[in-house]
Amino acid sequence: AQSVTQLDSQVPVFEEAPVELRCNYSSSVSVYLFWYVQYPNQGLQLLLKYLSGSTLVKGINGFEAEFNKSQTSFHLRKPSVHISDTAEYFCAVTVNTGFQKLVFGTGTRLLVSP
Amino acid sequence: NAGVTQTPKFQVLKTGQSMTLQCAQDMNHEYMSWYRQDPGMGLRLIHYSVGAGITDQGEVPNGYNVSRSTTEDFPLRLLSAAPSQTSVYFCASSYSGGLSGNTIYFGEGSWLTVV
Repeated sequence: AQSVTQLDSQVPVFEEAPVELRCNYSSSVSVYLFWYVQYPNQGLQLLLKYLSGSTLVKGINGFEAEFNKSQTSFHLRKPSVHISDTAEYFCAVTVNTGFQKLVFGTGTRLLVSP
Repeated sequence: NAGVTQTPKFQVLKTGQSMTLQCAQDMNHEYMSWYRQDPGMGLRLIHYSVGAGITDQGEVPNGYNVSRSTTEDFPLRLLSAAPSQTSVYFCASSYSGGLSGNTIYFGEGSWLTVV
């Protein structure tokens, strides 16, 4: 069975600074990987996903993530954050065969201050 | 575009009461599911459906019932609410449950408190 670990529950950062949100997964089979963002009192919105191909995936709002199979990681990065990026970010994984069942990490709260 | 619509957005229940959380999608998606979100635990799958008339249990199904009589609707029923069911509930849908890479779209959430 696969699981997802988000190593940081909260990441404080100043505006215009770079940020990396860490995600590691464990699975014995190939997986698809996702990052979702949740703004306060809203649902989840897809930021980006890795299915196959290039290991560097670009998403919305200037975010990108790199799939590293040897380290079983899928870290999310942004070179310069804005106040509006303050939100909770969830990493999720699903097995790439059969029915889609997303398994979520516990989330990382990104706090951007001026 | 309405997308995935959940009602009600907020609800307070007394222990033992029953209620139904409604979910509707207008994207002709086959796959629909319900998750609950609890602090420090991420989102956990309650039940899911791969099409009208077909449902199955997820990770935390106890205390919840579902049915899928139409493609558009996927209600979640709490038969006898317990304080442990206090949570935020999200309904989600995607084009095809058989293709694991499809984007899953989420509703805005339903905040449920059981007292």
